[in-house]
Amino acid sequence: RKEVEQDPGPFNVPEGATVAFNCTYSNSASQSFFWYRQDCRKEPKLLMSVYSSGNEDGRFTAQLNRASQYISLLIRDSKLSDSATYLCVVDLGGSQGNLIFGKGTKLSVKP
Amino acid sequence: DTGVSQDPRHKITKRGQNVTFRCDPISEHNRLYWYRQTLGQGPEFLTYFQNEAQLEKSRLLSDRFSAERPKGSFSTLEIQRTEQGDSAMYLCASGLMTGHEAFFGQGTRLTVV
Repeated sequence: RKEVEQDPGPFNVPEGATVAFNCTYSNSASQSFFWYRQDCRKEPKLLMSVYSSGNEDGRFTAQLNRASQYISLLIRDSKLSDSATYLCVVDLGGSQGNLIFGKGTKLSVKP
Repeated sequence: DTGVSQDPRHKITKRGQNVTFRCDPISEHNRLYWYRQTLGQGPEFLTYFQNEAQLEKSRLLSDRFSAERPKGSFSTLEIQRTEQGDSAMYLCASGLMTGHEAFFGQGTRLTVV
């Protein structure tokens, strides 16, 4: 089982749509969780951290379910500028502080 | 510019040659990561430093790959006897501490011909 698994893409949605991405992780000792965004031919950049209580940033909502080892990202009212690849990231913490990335899910928002 | 910088941005090399890449992290960051990314894939973890100590190394990393961070500042990634399968984008990232954001450089694109 891969350490971080994401929904296979691509997701092609019209502007204004709501889209949800899911991610599962295998290491129950994982301590921190993130969603990164990567534009074509650019480096990944942090979109938002994910907290157990769930967190929202404008049109973006992230949730974490530790019991199910599951992370989600919801994008409401999609914009053309949301088109990118969304990467689920898990931080094992402590001395195993490497960040493990999922393969990413590509989103294309169409007019 | 106070971001993560990588050098060179592009490298074309012949199969069998050695190559070395450099990463300069954000100055106060003690964590430094190397990743490899190919088209359509997420960044694949290669290795991780906390200050000058290399704490984690991917099992996928063959002995042709070596990384150093001699003074806990910049880092180098060397690939010996390059193969065509090494062609990829090599990304470096740095972070302040566990649980915090990692910032990426723009990467070094390696092409082995």
